[in-house]
Amino acid sequence: AQTVTQSQPEMSVQEAETVTLSCTYDTSENNYYLFWYKQPPSRQMILVIRQEAYKQQNATENRFSVNFQKAAKSFSLKISDSQLGDTAMYFCAFMKHRATSGTYKYIFGTGTRLKVLA
Amino acid sequence: EAGVAQSPRYKIIEKRQSVAFWCNPISGHATLYWYQQILGQGPKLLIQFQNNGVVDDSQLPKDRFSAERLKGVDSTLKIQPAKLEDSAVYLCASSQPPPRSLDGYTFGSGTRLTVV
Repeated sequence: AQTVTQSQPEMSVQEAETVTLSCTYDTSENNYYLFWYKQPPSRQMILVIRQEAYKQQNATENRFSVNFQKAAKSFSLKISDSQLGDTAMYFCAFMKHRATSGTYKYIFGTGTRLKVLA
Repeated sequence: EAGVAQSPRYKIIEKRQSVAFWCNPISGHATLYWYQQILGQGPKLLIQFQNNGVVDDSQLPKDRFSAERLKGVDSTLKIQPAKLEDSAVYLCASSQPPPRSLDGYTFGSGTRLTVV
């Protein structure tokens, strides 16, 4: 069964600094997708970045980038030039394929609470 | 485009009472999901609809939870009777059907349920 582990329950970073959130996962599949979602106090989950496992190049979205290590099953998120608005819960997620129905479902980690300090 | 709408935003009920949540997905999104997020945990899928058909309800406690998606658009999730352990945030999300669902989901702001 697929599992997603986020070993850092809480982290803090100074404004304008860089922080890395870790995520590891376990799967026997070869083709899959990984995601990072942000959940601010408003509770709405917002997609930050996604990575296709078949792509060797790490995904980048403005200040957000990932370090995808497929062999190690590691998928960390790096936030550069941290801003106060980055304060939120961050969830790593694995997209699992259901062969019987051809549909997909997320497996979420337990989250990392990030606080950006002024 | 308008986001995923959910109501109510907050609800407090006593145990053994019933409660219903409503979700209106993004127009054109055929797939709709209900998640339960208990404090300190990641979201857990309760039920997934493709249009108005159920794709996955394996983690829905069917003795007390029910959900429907009439006409393949809006959806309601009901709990009857509620237990203390049902206290959580209930998130609704929608997406294009697969494989476009791999682009990611759009989530609503959720309903925070407190059972006392």
